[in-house]
Amino acid sequence: TQLLEQSPQFLSIQEGENLTVYCNSSSVFSSLQWYRQEPGEGPVLLVTVVTGGEVKKLKRLTFQFGDARKDSSLHITAAQPGDTGLYLCAGEAGRRALTFGSGTRLQVQP
Amino acid sequence: GAVVSQHPSRVICKSGTSVKIECRSLDFQATTMFWYRQFPKQSLMLMATSNEGSKATYEQGVEKDKFLINHASLTLSTLTVTSAHPEDSSFYICSVRGRQGAGGYTFGSGTRLTVV
Repeated sequence: TQLLEQSPQFLSIQEGENLTVYCNSSSVFSSLQWYRQEPGEGPVLLVTVVTGGEVKKLKRLTFQFGDARKDSSLHITAAQPGDTGLYLCAGEAGRRALTFGSGTRLQVQP
Repeated sequence: GAVVSQHPSRVICKSGTSVKIECRSLDFQATTMFWYRQFPKQSLMLMATSNEGSKATYEQGVEKDKFLINHASLTLSTLTVTSAHPEDSSFYICSVRGRQGAGGYTFGSGTRLTVV
C-alpha cells in the first residue's frame, strides 16, 4: 500500500504569515498533485508536478517535487483568509486511482 | 480536464433503505471512474474503481454487496448504498481521469449522505 503522510495536520495562522505543508512517502510516484477542498465540495486541482526537483509557482503558492519523486511541499507566502481550506496531496502511479495524503487543514485568521 | 457531474449533492435516508448516487462524465468517455469516501475532517479513501462494461474493483475492507457499483455506459457510473445504516453516513466523491499523461483527474462535487 502506498501511503502519503502530510504534516502538519492542522495549522492556524494569522493573515500575512508564511507556511509550508509537507507530503512524504516511501513510494515513488509518476506525478504528485495538490488539491484544495472546501467543506461540502469535491477537491479542486491546484497543480501537478511530474519531474523530480520540479518547482511550480501559482501566485503566492510554491510547489516542489522531491528529487526522488517521493515527497513534495507546498509553501504559501503571505497567507490570506481566502486560503483557508483542506489541502490534500495525491500521488499518481500508473493509471490507477490517486492515493491521497492525510490532509492539512489550514485556517487563516484575519 | 473532464467535466464531472455528481448527483444528488445531499441526501437523507432512513436506516434500511437504499440510496443511489450518480456520477456523469459530461464531455469525456470514461472507461474508468473512481469512488471515494470521506469522513469529517479526514482525507479521501478510495472505495472502488468502476470499469465500464465489467465488474468494479473494490478496495480491501469495502463490502461489494453493500456498495453496488454499476458502470453501464462510458459516461455514467452509479454507486448504490444498500440497506444503509447510520455508520454509512459520509461524503462520497467520484472521480474521472480525463486524459492521457500525468494528472487529468477531475472530481465530482460530492454527495453528503446522512442515514437516520
